[in-house]
Amino acid sequence: EAGVTQSPTHLIKTRGQQVTLRCSPISGHTSVYWYQQALGLGLQFLLWYDEGEERNRGNFPPRFSGRQFPNYSSELNVNALELEDSALYLCASSFPGAGANVLTFGAGSRLTVL
Amino acid sequence: SQQGEEDPQALSIQEGENATMNCSYKTSINNLQWYRQNSGRGLVHLILIRSNEREKHSGRLRVTLDTSKKSSSLLITASRAADTASYFCEEVGNQFYFGTGTSLTVIP
Repeated sequence: EAGVTQSPTHLIKTRGQQVTLRCSPISGHTSVYWYQQALGLGLQFLLWYDEGEERNRGNFPPRFSGRQFPNYSSELNVNALELEDSALYLCASSFPGAGANVLTFGAGSRLTVL
Repeated sequence: SQQGEEDPQALSIQEGENATMNCSYKTSINNLQWYRQNSGRGLVHLILIRSNEREKHSGRLRVTLDTSKKSSSLLITASRAADTASYFCEEVGNQFYFGTGTSLTVIP
């Protein structure tokens, strides 16, 4: 069984550009979560999607957005990139709901903003 | 910030010793989970403890939970060099907050 896959693994952008990160959850998982991990820091919750709907959002500006497709894959979009957006972006998936479900993480997309 | 905190931030021990990490959280939880991260990669789930549980074991791992103090601890017994990683707690309630992490180094 394939795990959570994320693409691209690494990318470099310049300030003001836009980026799209992609995530494919484990088969059967309908919830997708996005986290930002800046270098040496903990994980900051970005977004939670379930059944195509945004269920919850962390404390990030509106230029961070995303969506979930009918096949439960997800995209994270970041507009007007800033230097401090440089981070590892982690996607995780779980079975429906977020109660006691374990998150399975992808390997992440490392974004560098110059 | 709603992010919880872990203590210590960094821990270095000899192989065979026990490692204890503590996590303090801020919200009301349904459960608390511990994850491990190797070298900036994705996180791997270690153990889940529900809000009505006080202690849980899994192999060399022992987790305790004190909801009155909003704290949890992770004990790794008989540590190995392969346990070297960062360890994070996650509080699961209406949102999902990870702690700041403890970087564990196990010296062979």
